[in-house]
Amino acid sequence: SQQGEEDPQALSIQEGENATMNCSYKTSINNLQWYRQNSGRGLVHLILIRSNEREKHSGRLRVTLDTSKKSSSLLITASRAADTASYFCATDAMRGTGNQFYFGTGTSLTVIP
Amino acid sequence: NAGVTQTPKFRVLKTGQSMTLLCAQDMNHEYMYWYRQDPGMGLRLIHYSVGEGTTAKGEVPDGYNVSRLKKQNFLLGLESAAPSQTSVYFCASSYTKGGGYTFGSGTRLTVV
Repeated sequence: SQQGEEDPQALSIQEGENATMNCSYKTSINNLQWYRQNSGRGLVHLILIRSNEREKHSGRLRVTLDTSKKSSSLLITASRAADTASYFCATDAMRGTGNQFYFGTGTSLTVIP
Repeated sequence: NAGVTQTPKFRVLKTGQSMTLLCAQDMNHEYMYWYRQDPGMGLRLIHYSVGEGTTAKGEVPDGYNVSRLKKQNFLLGLESAAPSQTSVYFCASSYTKGGGYTFGSGTRLTVV
């Protein structure tokens, strides 16, 4: 399986601190995406990074990709209580149709006000 | 509001019963997907479709069937429900093959 694996499984921080979560995957990819899921809700797309990109920013989010290490990180700066959610990385396949994204098991982030 | 709509939101089935989950999107997306989410397992792809009239198997297709007769709808069927199919089911769609997914709010299914 080329499922991404997030680390840590759970993270608890104080409001205003930065949160970093990591994703590792097994095989070469075209794209890697990060999603957020609030409790009891569907997933929301945060950011997509392509295999030829090393870093992308979106507001308080910063994503890096290291294809040599087959890993990505998501940094949330100046966290807020509203950032409390589970965060998932998803990787696609370089072989085959590339129509499928494989999701990891997620990092549960708790931001304490 | 534009997006992905799933019906029903909750359902309890008895073992052996059948049901169909409906996913509808109004964004003119070509690609549609059905995932299931179980504790500690993340999301696993059941079936997907790359366009009207097409379907393909994902990671965990056994026990499920799908149909995409109209571009905007993607149906997931359980012919004979089993307790192992107790899960939260999510539908998603995307405009391009490698693009971001738009997810529905999920269907919580319990099979007793």
